[in-house]
Amino acid sequence: DAGVTQSPTHLIKTRGQHVTLRCSPISGHKSVSWYQQVLGQGPQFIFQYYEKEERGRGNFPDRFSARQFPNYSSELNVNALLLGDSALYLCASSLVAGNTEAFFGQGTRLTVV
Amino acid sequence: GDSVTQMEGPVTLSEEAFLTINCTYTATGYPSLFWYVQYPGEGLQLLLKATKADDKGSNKGFEATYRKETTSFHLEKGSVQVSDSAVYFCALRPSNFGNEKLTFGTGTRLTIIP
Repeated sequence: DAGVTQSPTHLIKTRGQHVTLRCSPISGHKSVSWYQQVLGQGPQFIFQYYEKEERGRGNFPDRFSARQFPNYSSELNVNALLLGDSALYLCASSLVAGNTEAFFGQGTRLTVV
Repeated sequence: GDSVTQMEGPVTLSEEAFLTINCTYTATGYPSLFWYVQYPGEGLQLLLKATKADDKGSNKGFEATYRKETTSFHLEKGSVQVSDSAVYFCALRPSNFGNEKLTFGTGTRLTIIP
């Protein structure tokens, strides 16, 4: 079975631009969460979606938004990019929210210049 | 709010040495506790977990025991290998059903030298 897949793996954007990151959960998993991992730090929670509804939001500005589609895949959008948004963005999926193990994808490395 | 405090790194050990990485947490109720490992250029992999007090999680020779009285979940391995070199993260998940938010420590970089 395929694991959690994220795309793209790397990208470079300019300050002020917009970016969309994509995540496909493991087949059958209905919960998807997004994390930001700045170099040298632990991942920070951004969003959780379960059954296409937002179930949790971390301490991130409104420039960050996300959604989950009927097939449970998810997008993370970031507007008006800042240099400080440069990070590894991780997606995690789980079978049932709050009840089982979270599996992480390889991440998307975003560099803002 | 919830928080996880992890032993500062980096940690460098010789092969076959004993490993301990300390982790303490602050949370309400009875969170689930996890250790994740991150190899260079990769995402996070679950190493082990414990969901209630006194549970011992174990995997690949690593162990950690959920200590409610000391709010700790220290990671141990009796004999480390070069292949254990990675960054290790302690994390917690709240006890309320439906809350998937993982709170991570800052990570401990472990290097094992032959």
